[in-house]
Amino acid sequence: SQQGEEDPQALSIQEGENATMNCSYKTSINNLQWYRQNSGRGLVHLILIRSNEREKHSGRLRVTLDTSKKSSSLLITASRAADTASYFCATALQMQGGSEKLVFGKGTKLTVNP
Amino acid sequence: DARVTQTPRDKVTEMGQEVTMRCQPILGHNTVFWYRQTMMQGLELLAYFRNRAPLDDSGMPKDRFSAEMPDATLATLKIQPSEPRDSAVYFCASGFSGAGTDTQYFGPGTRLTVL
Repeated sequence: SQQGEEDPQALSIQEGENATMNCSYKTSINNLQWYRQNSGRGLVHLILIRSNEREKHSGRLRVTLDTSKKSSSLLITASRAADTASYFCATALQMQGGSEKLVFGKGTKLTVNP
Repeated sequence: DARVTQTPRDKVTEMGQEVTMRCQPILGHNTVFWYRQTMMQGLELLAYFRNRAPLDDSGMPKDRFSAEMPDATLATLKIQPSEPRDSAVYFCASGFSGAGTDTQYFGPGTRLTVL
């Protein structure tokens, strides 16, 4: 089963509203990352939050991490039509050799209506 | 503006044919990942290289898939023979594994259709 599960699977909002997406995971992580994917394109890294951090901001993005509940949330404030995309959380699991393996959820499809 | 490049962008082939997908990682990156994305399964890790050495290919069907890095500027993913269930978008990503916190940079993907 997926390590990370996003919720909701789809979200439709009006421009200017805030969008909140949640991610739950199962095992201990080194960090958690959020990626964005526009239709027909590759994934783009948005933000990384380490396991010892609780909240992080980047522009209109706010990410929280609760390791006790094994959950994270991504908040996009003052959404724009250009924010329409799929958003994925990815949990970083330690691998052999000191590197990390990212395990992706199935994503939340966000539609921002003008 | 450094980017991961993938070729071809689209590939349509018939069942049984060999398919080779290529990836040029970002110069200086030492990790390369191959992913497959489908509606049903989402994004699955197929193979992972660090400093050109394969570290994990547990997600890859061994009987028909193979992944290699002939040199630091080229990673390949081959399917032989291809099957209709291999139809998917295949992404390559690269990163730099140094302090242990890796951000991955994705290529645009190869959309494979096996008829």
